[in-house]
Amino acid sequence: KQEVTQIPAALSVPEGENLVLNCSFTDSAIYNLQWFRQDPGKGLTSLLLIQSSQREQTSGRLNASLDKSSGRSTLYIAASQPGDSATYLCAGYGQNFVFGPGTRLSVLP
Amino acid sequence: NAGVTQTPKFRVLKTGQSMTLLCAQDMNHEYMYWYRQDPGMGLRLIHYSVGEGTTAKGEVPDGYNVSRLKKQNFLLGLESAAPSQTSVYFCASSYSLAWYNEQFFGPGTRLTVL
Repeated sequence: KQEVTQIPAALSVPEGENLVLNCSFTDSAIYNLQWFRQDPGKGLTSLLLIQSSQREQTSGRLNASLDKSSGRSTLYIAASQPGDSATYLCAGYGQNFVFGPGTRLSVLP
Repeated sequence: NAGVTQTPKFRVLKTGQSMTLLCAQDMNHEYMYWYRQDPGMGLRLIHYSVGEGTTAKGEVPDGYNVSRLKKQNFLLGLESAAPSQTSVYFCASSYSLAWYNEQFFGPGTRLTVL
């Protein structure tokens, strides 16, 4: 059974810092991995999707990498801003999507 | 495009009451999903559908039923609500390509069972 974990559970950084969020999965038989953002009381917004044949995807200040052999994905946020404050979730897709518990990010002005 | 919409946004039920949550998508997606999100538990898959007229159980299906009579709609039913079903419910849809199965989520329904 696929299990997805995310470290750290919470993170607080000053504005302008570069930061890395980690996602680990136990079963490397995934087709792709997706990163989401969730604001309090809201739904999930898709940020990036990495296909199993890819190693990374970039969108603006966000860069996500995937290493299937080690069961890891990272989300890199450059030059963080207070508007980046949210919970970030990763989900691996094999037979179905399995979500991690999320990392709650606070970017302080 | 509205994307994925859910009705209602909020609902309070008494134990034993029934209700149906409606999910609609206008992206012509084959796959649709119902999740529940609880503090400390993350998102867990309740039921899903890989096409019109099909449904399948997810991780936590007990106490729920679903129907996919039309491709654009996916209904989640609670026949006899229990306090343990207090949660936020999210619907999602996706393309049917395994190698590119990006999910799109609705805004959620906050359900309280007293």
